[in-house]
This record gives sequence, structure tokens and C-alpha cells, in this order.
Amino acid sequence: DVKVTQSSRYLVKRTGEKVFLECVQDMDHENMFWYRQDPGLGLRLIYFSYDVKMKEKGDIPEGYSVSREKKERFSLILESASTNQTSMYLCASSSVGEQYFGPGTRLTVT
Amino acid sequence: ELKVEQNPLFLSMQEGKNYTIYCNYSTTSDRLYWYRQDPGKSLESLFVLLSNGAVKQEGRLMASLDTKARLSTLHITAAVHDLSATYFCAVDGSGNEKLTFGTGTRLTIIP
Repeated sequence: DVKVTQSSRYLVKRTGEKVFLECVQDMDHENMFWYRQDPGLGLRLIYFSYDVKMKEKGDIPEGYSVSREKKERFSLILESASTNQTSMYLCASSSVGEQYFGPGTRLTVT
Repeated sequence: ELKVEQNPLFLSMQEGKNYTIYCNYSTTSDRLYWYRQDPGKSLESLFVLLSNGAVKQEGRLMASLDTKARLSTLHITAAVHDLSATYFCAVDGSGNEKLTFGTGTRLTIIP
């Protein structure tokens, strides 16, 4: 089975802090994705990556950056956390289309 | 810009009844996915539909795809409580595995 893990299930940070969310997949998938999920808005794509050191902006990249130094690991970075970044963050990986999701990180910024 | 619309957004139905969730999308695509999400949990893949006319069934759920109408349906037969969840459809509009998700349908099955 594909396994996608995320570093934290729950995280509380203060406004202005730098936040790192880590995602690791064990199936040698080329593609990895970061989404945020908010009530009534569904899932919105923040960034995605097709290969090591490659990244592309999704629909809502503002305030976020990403890093992919190894194929299995995709990190989401909030350079200076703000309260409007309080959300559920989901990581996914895919190969030939179907995306497999991690358990999610619920981030609260106070 | 690809838009994916689901309806209804909320659905409350009695056990044993049949119902259909609809997923409309705005641009040509022949790759559509259905996911299930339980409260507080992540998304679980249900169906992958990769061509016009594709039909997939798993237990009481059946999904179909009509690419000409840009419509997918998720049909629930003889609903049971365990099917209570939020269901999302997602479309690959560009062929590069970047998915656009609908806002989800929250399904509640009442005994």
C-alpha cells in the first residue's frame, strides 16, 4: 500500500513564525502536492512538484514556498505565518494520475 | 480556468434509499476521480474514471463518466449508515495530474 505521512497531525504556531510542514511518501512517486482544505471551499492546490528540485505554483501559492530535495520528501514552508493560514493541510503523491493523501496537518496560527 | 461543481452540497437520506450525487466540470477532460473523507480524516480514493462511458462499482456505490456532457455521477444504492461521509470529485483538466476538486457533498444517512 502507498503510504504518505505528514510530520504533525496538529500544530499551533504564533503569527510571524516560520513554519515547516513535512511530507514523505514511500512509493517512489514522481509527483507530490500540497493542498489546504477549508470549510465550504473544498481542497485548493498550493504547490506541486513533478520531480526533485522542481516546483510549480498551484492556485493559491501566496504566502507559501516549497522544497523538494529528495524524491520522497516534499516540504511546505510558511515564511511568516498569519492567522488566515489557519487550515487543514493535506499532502498527496501520485503516479499515473491517482493521488494518495496523507493524514493531514491541522495548523492553527494564533 | 477549470471549475468543478458538485450538487447537492448537503444530502440527508434514509437508510435503504437510493440517491445520486452530481459532478459537473467546465472544460474537456477524460480523467475524473472520486474520493471519500470521513470527519477528521484524510481523503480515500474511491474510483478512477479514465474514459467516456466509464463505469465503476464498489459495493453500494457506482460512479460513471460522460465526457461529452462533462458530467460524472456517484450513485448510492440502498444506503447504509457506514456511507455517511463527505464525497469529493476531482478532475484532471490539463493531463498533467494536477487535480481540481469540487467543494464536496456531505452525505448523512439517517437510520
